[in-house]
Amino acid sequence: GAVVSQHPSRVICKSGTSVKIECRSLDFQATTMFWYRQFPKKSLMLMATSNEGSKATYEQGVEKDKFLINHASLTLSTLTVTSAHPEDSSFYICSASPGTGDTEAFFGQGTRLTVV
Amino acid sequence: GNSVTQMEGPVTLSEEAFLTINCTYTATGYPSLFWYVQYPGEGLQLLLKATKADDKGSNKGFEATYRKETTSFHLEKGSVQVSDSAVYFCALNPAGKSTFGDGTTLTVKP
Repeated sequence: GAVVSQHPSRVICKSGTSVKIECRSLDFQATTMFWYRQFPKKSLMLMATSNEGSKATYEQGVEKDKFLINHASLTLSTLTVTSAHPEDSSFYICSASPGTGDTEAFFGQGTRLTVV
Repeated sequence: GNSVTQMEGPVTLSEEAFLTINCTYTATGYPSLFWYVQYPGEGLQLLLKATKADDKGSNKGFEATYRKETTSFHLEKGSVQVSDSAVYFCALNPAGKSTFGDGTTLTVKP
């Protein structure tokens, strides 16, 4: 199956700093990628849809100035958590699909962000 | 909009017991349905899928049948193992955007 790679898998940062998470589709091109956030013992909540060459679409309640998304190429989307605070600590997962329409999504390994 | 309702957990079973995790969905049309598994500290792995009504997805002893009439996709396994302990998510992915159930934590005790 298609492979989506996410990096880093774990990161610890200090409050007030910014952290960038990368999501790459390794063997297919993806015009659209998705970013999810998972709180402990909770389900995954869609944060935003990353669109290659255009602005991301954010879900209601997600601060776009806090979570900057860039989709500069057909194989790479990045999520930058700006001015991170402890409440931003969470598990972030990206996904992408090689096709459009009703199709299987392939997920990255996830990134555990801890803000201290 | 789309939604997925999943059996609440946690579920604790003894090894070799029978497992059922219920999942029902609301969606426009008849989207493909998926079960994902998440082991502690890891991302999501596709467990099985079904793309149309009456399809049965299966993998590693797990099965789920796409029931259009009841809008359900219940996950079953005849004999669970300790290694099956994980969180299971039912989902649908129209246009790649995933809608998940709340997840069911399964713990299998020896």
